Amino acid sequence: NAGVTQTPKFRILKIGQSMTLQCAQDMNHNYMYWYRQDPGMGLKLIYYSVGAGITDKGEVPNGYNVSRSTTEDFPLRLELAAPSQTSVYFCASSYSQGMGEKLFFGSGTQLSVL
Amino acid sequence: QKEVEQNSGPLSVPEGAIASLNCTYSDRGSQSFFWYRQYSGKSPELIMFIYSNGDKEDGRFTAQLNKASQYVSLLIRDSQPSDSATYLCAVNFDTGRRALTFGSGTRLQVQP
Repeated sequence: NAGVTQTPKFRILKIGQSMTLQCAQDMNHNYMYWYRQDPGMGLKLIYYSVGAGITDKGEVPNGYNVSRSTTEDFPLRLELAAPSQTSVYFCASSYSQGMGEKLFFGSGTQLSVL
Repeated sequence: QKEVEQNSGPLSVPEGAIASLNCTYSDRGSQSFFWYRQYSGKSPELIMFIYSNGDKEDGRFTAQLNKASQYVSLLIRDSQPSDSATYLCAVNFDTGRRALTFGSGTRLQVQP
């Protein structure tokens, strides 16, 4: 199993450009999440999904969109990139949301908006 | 706003000592609590979770939870240089959503 795979690993965008961060998991997990981590900070939840076709906003959803058409894939779309979106983005998944359920993280995407 | 607070550190301890990492959270109704370790440039990995008051031990790691004081801690015994990392406290605030809220992390440095 590859686990959670994120692409790309690094990306530089110009202000106003758009892009999609890809996330795929092969563990048949129902729950998937997108977090961002600014330097020296913890992770902030952007969006999450409890299953194919179901998504919901997290703490910091502005400037982002998501879709979940399959169990495996959970892409994050940035429209009109801004310098404030410079961050490391982590996708994560879990089998359920029970007590103590472990999050499996991808390796992250480092995004710079200049 | 529901928050998780951690001292950013760095916390510096000598090799073989006990490292004590602390975390407070804002919602008394919170149900489950997690400690993740994150090496520089890497993704977080789960060390332990706890949801009952008291201590939970796993090898060199002990998580301690005091819900009345809204306080959770992580003790690392016999600290090793390989334990040098940032430790993130995470809390499940919303039983409906069950998405974790993370603290900003405490950087631990274990000196050989």
